[in-house]
Amino acid sequence: DSGVTQTPKHLITATGQRVTLRCSPRSGDLSVYWYQQSLDQGLQFLIQYYNGEERAKGNILERFSAQQFPDLHSELNLSSLELGDSALYFCASSASGRSPLHFGNGTRLTVT
Amino acid sequence: AQRVTQPEKLLSVFKGAPVELKCNYSYSGSPELFWYVQYSRQRLQLLLRHISRESIKGFTADLNKGETSFHLKKPFAQEEDSAMYYCALGGTQGGSEKLVFGKGTKLTVNP
Repeated sequence: DSGVTQTPKHLITATGQRVTLRCSPRSGDLSVYWYQQSLDQGLQFLIQYYNGEERAKGNILERFSAQQFPDLHSELNLSSLELGDSALYFCASSASGRSPLHFGNGTRLTVT
Repeated sequence: AQRVTQPEKLLSVFKGAPVELKCNYSYSGSPELFWYVQYSRQRLQLLLRHISRESIKGFTADLNKGETSFHLKKPFAQEEDSAMYYCALGGTQGGSEKLVFGKGTKLTVNP
């Protein structure tokens, strides 16, 4: 158990819809990262937050947004969903940007 | 800029054979390098970090600054080693500390 909790485990929704993925980092970790893993693209970095502030942005679409709350949990919002958004979405946390990441079990999103 | 290259998308070996998963990096500062493993689309788990200089599950990795490499090696592969392996580089870019992953190598160990 990495200590990083992601909910829900699975999500099935239709195109055009909006979903929210939730992540609770390990106790004491201030950094939260979001990654998208699809079969053809591999592991893609989306965004990083540190203590509530956005720190780095990767290949995140404009339809996607995220935030980190004062209690350090984070949410990833995906809107106007397309079939190609179907993927595993991982959250990871770390004590600092150069520390090892601890990954959650992921949310498997299926867009039909 | 930070960059990690894993040149092999797929690697297949027989049980008991040596295995080497290649990782090259590009970074102008002092790098921190990691190997992560992912079994059957489960969560990624930290396997090794270069500063620890340890051996986990028989795997070792040595940082070669001259060749900018951090290859993962195991002398005798086991079937349970079959997984996706990701090399990652920790560094500072634009004032932010970040971890950059390679695209991964899928290792298959055949019986």
